[in-house]
Amino acid sequence: GENVEQHPSTLSVQEGDSAVIKCTYSDSASNYFPWYKQELGKRPQLIIDIRSNVGEKKDQRIAVTLNKTAKHFSLHITETQPEDSAVYFCAAFSGGGADGLTFGKGTHLIIQP
Amino acid sequence: EAGVAQSPRYKIIEKRQSVAFWCNPISGHATLYWYQQILGQGPKLLIQFQNNGVVDDSQLPKDRFSAERLKGVDSTLKIQPAKLEDSAVYLCASSSWTEQFFGPGTRLTVL
Repeated sequence: GENVEQHPSTLSVQEGDSAVIKCTYSDSASNYFPWYKQELGKRPQLIIDIRSNVGEKKDQRIAVTLNKTAKHFSLHITETQPEDSAVYFCAAFSGGGADGLTFGKGTHLIIQP
Repeated sequence: EAGVAQSPRYKIIEKRQSVAFWCNPISGHATLYWYQQILGQGPKLLIQFQNNGVVDDSQLPKDRFSAERLKGVDSTLKIQPAKLEDSAVYLCASSSWTEQFFGPGTRLTVL
């Protein structure tokens, strides 16, 4: 089955700086890669996603890049703000008739004022 | 549009007891998922339904966990008997295409 590795597990950046979270996946057939933000005690919320036919996608301060050859994808947050503090999960859809997501272990992003 | 509903929000039981969780997906969403999220980890898929049929239950501990989705709408997840390691948040999600929408989860504590 699919295996998703995510790092770092904790990331602390100064407010206004950029943050980058990286994930790798194992199944070359995976074709959908969402990123979720989860605040303490709340449900995961989709913030951006990318499909395998696209190399990069941007939405305001958030961008995701995908390298299919290397089987890795990254989340980029620019001009970080205090409300960006949360746990971020990457995920991959492994296909094969079932479309449950395989999640990484999460990155705790801390925005220092 | 109403979101995914789950109940109860919290449950505390002793080991070897039974517990059931309920999920009501977004109206019109054919696919429903149950995930287990242990503290400090990402959600792990337990079971996926397409309408009222099971698509994937390969990671469901079938000796103690069961799930059903009658009439292709609401779903229940049951644990019987519960173990200490079942303490987690149980998330239900639904989708009509690719994007999955999560419910608020049920936090289970097994003592």
